[in-house]
Amino acid sequence: ETGVTQSPTHLIKTRGQQVTLRCSSQSGHNTVSWYQQALGQGPQFIFQYYREEENGRGNFPPRFSGLQFPNYSSELNVNALELDDSALYLCASSPTGDLYQETQYFGPGTRLLVL
Amino acid sequence: SQQGEEDPQALSIQEGENATMNCSYKTSINNLQWYRQNSGRGLVHLILIRSNEREKHSGRLRVTLDTSKKSSSLLITASRAADTASYFCATPPKSGNQFYFGTGTSLTVIP
Repeated sequence: ETGVTQSPTHLIKTRGQQVTLRCSSQSGHNTVSWYQQALGQGPQFIFQYYREEENGRGNFPPRFSGLQFPNYSSELNVNALELDDSALYLCASSPTGDLYQETQYFGPGTRLLVL
Repeated sequence: SQQGEEDPQALSIQEGENATMNCSYKTSINNLQWYRQNSGRGLVHLILIRSNEREKHSGRLRVTLDTSKKSSSLLITASRAADTASYFCATPPKSGNQFYFGTGTSLTVIP
């Protein structure tokens, strides 16, 4: 167990709806990254938050947005859901904003199904 | 898009045999990391090798890195059924915070 928790574990939404996924970082970690993992693929980087500011973003449209709170927990919001948004969403925390030397501690993920 | 690719995509071996999987990547890196994922759950960090290292060991794991070929290999010795999982290489690039994962190798260890 890494100490990173995510909620909910599973979620079913319909196309066009909005969804909020939550992540609680490991104690002492002030950086959180979010990933989307489609079935049979590797995780794809969505964005990273460091001390409540976005600190890097992957190739995802603006309808993917996030927040990090003073206690370093985080939310991923996805608006106007599309069928292709069906995936496992993973958050990972790390002690600093520098990914060059740090490892990341992953939560168990939220599986989102868009119908 | 994926930065790296693992090879093979799937590997099936008998318990006790060694498993080797390879990773190729595209850009310059500071380090390369290997992760394991059990059945659609979160990833677990296995080992990190820095760009100035050529080989690293951790228990039954041996990782090599060839920066001239932009490739790495992960060797799991004396495999166990519990090693059954997907294995990903990951490369944080020298610039930017985007963290790239490969496409993964699915390893099945038959008891």
